[in-house]
Amino acid sequence: GENVEQHPSTLSVQEGDSAVIKCTYSDSASNYFPWYKQELGKRPQLIIDIRSNVGEKKDQRIAVTLNKTAKHFSLHITETQPEDSAVYFCAGPYSGAGSYQLTFGKGTKLSVIP
Amino acid sequence: DGGITQSPKYLFRKEGQNVTLSCEQNLNHDAMYWYRQDPGQGLRLIYYSQIVNDFQKGDIAEGYSVSREKKESFPLTVTSAQKNPTAFYLCASSMTGNNSPLHFGNGTRLTVT
Repeated sequence: GENVEQHPSTLSVQEGDSAVIKCTYSDSASNYFPWYKQELGKRPQLIIDIRSNVGEKKDQRIAVTLNKTAKHFSLHITETQPEDSAVYFCAGPYSGAGSYQLTFGKGTKLSVIP
Repeated sequence: DGGITQSPKYLFRKEGQNVTLSCEQNLNHDAMYWYRQDPGQGLRLIYYSQIVNDFQKGDIAEGYSVSREKKESFPLTVTSAQKNPTAFYLCASSMTGNNSPLHFGNGTRLTVT
């Protein structure tokens, strides 16, 4: 199946600075890469996703970049704010035996220091 | 919230008892999933179902069982065979096919003592 590794596991930044979280994947056939944000005690919510036909996607202060050759994709958050503090998960699709499922990274706990 | 309802939010059971977690969705999604979340472990897939009356094991299915008798419902039973059942359980749904984002419920925190 797919193997998704996420780094770092924890990240602290000063408010206003940028944060970058990186994930690597193993299945070269993977073509969809979502990022989820989970606030404490709440459900994960999709914040941005990218498909393999593009190298970068932006949505206001967040962006995701994809390097298919190196098999890694990254989440970039600019001008961080305290409300960005949460756990962020990347995921990669696994298609095996005719089925489809997402494999998640172990998460990055982002702390934005006011 | 978000079209997927998990109940209850908190659940307490004694060791040796089976317990069933509820998950209902009104998003008309064909696919449904159960994930388990432990600190530092991310989200691990327990079971998933792509269509009514069909489901497959995920990475950590041992000690769990599911049913999918209706499109809207995908209950998860944590059996006494599950060695470490205390965890946060998340149900999700999606449209079928690749590149479909997951929509999560609010989760059930199960504590077994």
